Amino acid sequence: SQTIHQWPATLVQPVGSPLSLECTVEGTSNPNLYWYRQAAGRGLQLLFYSVGIGQISSEVPQNLSASRPQDRQFILSSKKLLLSDSGFYLCASEQGNTEAFFGQGTRLTVV
Amino acid sequence: GDSVTQMEGPVTLSEEAFLTINCTYTATGYPSLFWYVQYPGEGLQLLLKATKADDKGSNKGFEATYRKETTSFHLEKGSVQVSDSAVYFCALRRYSSASKIIFGSGTRLSIRP
Repeated sequence: SQTIHQWPATLVQPVGSPLSLECTVEGTSNPNLYWYRQAAGRGLQLLFYSVGIGQISSEVPQNLSASRPQDRQFILSSKKLLLSDSGFYLCASEQGNTEAFFGQGTRLTVV
Repeated sequence: GDSVTQMEGPVTLSEEAFLTINCTYTATGYPSLFWYVQYPGEGLQLLLKATKADDKGSNKGFEATYRKETTSFHLEKGSVQVSDSAVYFCALRRYSSASKIIFGSGTRLSIRP
């Protein structure tokens, strides 16, 4: 089965600072990769979706961007964080008709 | 487009009560259906799944049956425990490389001792 590594687990950043969250996948190749954000007590908001290297679909226009420089690496970035970027960020990997595997998440607090 | 609708929470039950969390879907073709569980501060993990009509997924005492005629995949458990307190997400995935997983909004379940 797949293993999803996300780091850091917790992050506190000031408004206006940059952001880089990294997700790497083990145990598979050519997965579909996802970035989700979850506000406190809320559901999953799909941010970005990738079917391959350099192929990124943005689901919600906002202050964030994503990149996939390698097959099993997915990076979420921002040049200048906003207070509204606070939340729990989850990376997920899946292929075809099988289950999705999630990382343990990064809790981001923008202050 | 594809969508998943779950009953809104939070749901609060006493220990050993019967649980049902409703889930209905809209999709073309024959998607696979999933239930995921999220414990506090963690990512989601697969609870159970069904890949075709009339299949029953089961795990840890939870069950859900893929009902194509009613486009439903309701989650049930006969006797809940405090440790079942979590957020539950229903999801679907069509078998196409261009498709994405579609999640419901999640249902928070709290079990009282």
